[in-house]
Amino acid sequence: ETGVTQSPTHLIKTRGQQVTLRCSSQSGHNTVSWYQQALGQGPQFIFQYYREEENGRGNFPPRFSGLQFPNYSSELNVNALELDDSALYLCASSPPSGQSTNVLTFGAGSRLTVL
Amino acid sequence: GNSVTQMEGPVTLSEEAFLTINCTYTATGYPSLFWYVQYPGEGLQLLLKATKADDKGSNKGFEATYRKETTSFHLEKGSVQVSDSAVYFCALEEGNNNDMRFGAGTRLTVKP
Repeated sequence: ETGVTQSPTHLIKTRGQQVTLRCSSQSGHNTVSWYQQALGQGPQFIFQYYREEENGRGNFPPRFSGLQFPNYSSELNVNALELDDSALYLCASSPPSGQSTNVLTFGAGSRLTVL
Repeated sequence: GNSVTQMEGPVTLSEEAFLTINCTYTATGYPSLFWYVQYPGEGLQLLLKATKADDKGSNKGFEATYRKETTSFHLEKGSVQVSDSAVYFCALEEGNNNDMRFGAGTRLTVKP
């Protein structure tokens, strides 16, 4: 089975720009969550998508938005980038409820640098 | 709110040494507890988990016991290997919305 894949792996943007990060979930997984991991910190929950709708959100402003597609892949969009948005963005997928609950499978992440 | 506090690193050990990484949590209810490991250049991988008090999670020689009385979930391994060098994250989840709360991570380096 394929794992979670993310793209791009690295990118550099400037303040005020917009960025889109992409994630393909693991086969059989229908839920996708996004996390922000600042350097030297643990991941922080941004939001989760289930059935193409946002299903839970952490303490992030509205300029962080997302999409989930019918094939369960997902995008994270960040508008009006700020320097503090520089981080590793992790996507995690999980199986349908009732199967191995609470188990997240993480991708390797997209490292965003904002200059 | 729910949170996790784990032992600050970095931790450097010699091969075959005993490992303990402390983790304590704060939660309003009855969370599930996890240890994740992040190898260089890779995403986080689930190492072990426990879903209720007194449960012991174990995997690859690592163990952690869910202690409700001390709100702790310390990670232990009796004999570490060089290949165990990684960053270890303690985490909790309450409910099933995948709002996982992670600690700041502890970097472990094992020297031959």
